[in-house]
Amino acid sequence: DTEVTQTPKHLVMGMTNKKSLKCEQHMGHRAMYWYKQKAKKPPELMFVYSYEKLSINESVPSRFSPECPNSSLLNLHLHALQPEDSALYLCASSQEGRRSSYNEQFFGPGTRLTVL
Amino acid sequence: AQSVTQLGSHVSVSEGALVLLRCNYSSSVPPYLFWYVQYPNQGLQLLLKYTTGATLVKGINGFEAEFKKSETSFHLTKPSAHMSDAAEYFCAVLNQAGTALIFGKGTTLSVSS
Repeated sequence: DTEVTQTPKHLVMGMTNKKSLKCEQHMGHRAMYWYKQKAKKPPELMFVYSYEKLSINESVPSRFSPECPNSSLLNLHLHALQPEDSALYLCASSQEGRRSSYNEQFFGPGTRLTVL
Repeated sequence: AQSVTQLGSHVSVSEGALVLLRCNYSSSVPPYLFWYVQYPNQGLQLLLKYTTGATLVKGINGFEAEFKKSETSFHLTKPSAHMSDAAEYFCAVLNQAGTALIFGKGTTLSVSS
């Protein structure tokens, strides 16, 4: 299984709502990532988990809260978002979270988030 | 520090023509380089990667790229474009710690019949 899955595919939420994005991989990868991608732009790194520990937080606002319950799962909890947070949220995983010849990242299909 | 520059935000070719997407990198360590493709409303798919070894790298869907250290380039090519190649293409370099990909701004490839 070489797939990263993400649910839901689409999400519409109001600014007062609480919602969660889910990501799953069964490749035995030990590093998982959240990216945010606005239209016509490259992905921007938000968080990195390595061996289930948060290793990088790219100064993301606290209304985004990541969670890694186990080595296969990654969640992104959303609360009190703003309309400018509307974007495609991509999850990725790689074999390791360090420099190696096997460190390509595999991406999921993304969740298209719209904040009203 | 690592960075990537993709020359040309938009490339248009005819079906059957050569595809050439340009990528130049800057890296303080031997670079690990990647090309990803993104179709509309989808995630990124890895086309190919260079880490060490052979400088001509073959990927999926007939794409290949050549690592040229002297030119700090990693251009993506395909001999004959197909309509299904129309997409957004991103070049990326792994940061020094190996913890994150640094992406170029992307190149939109259009293929006309």
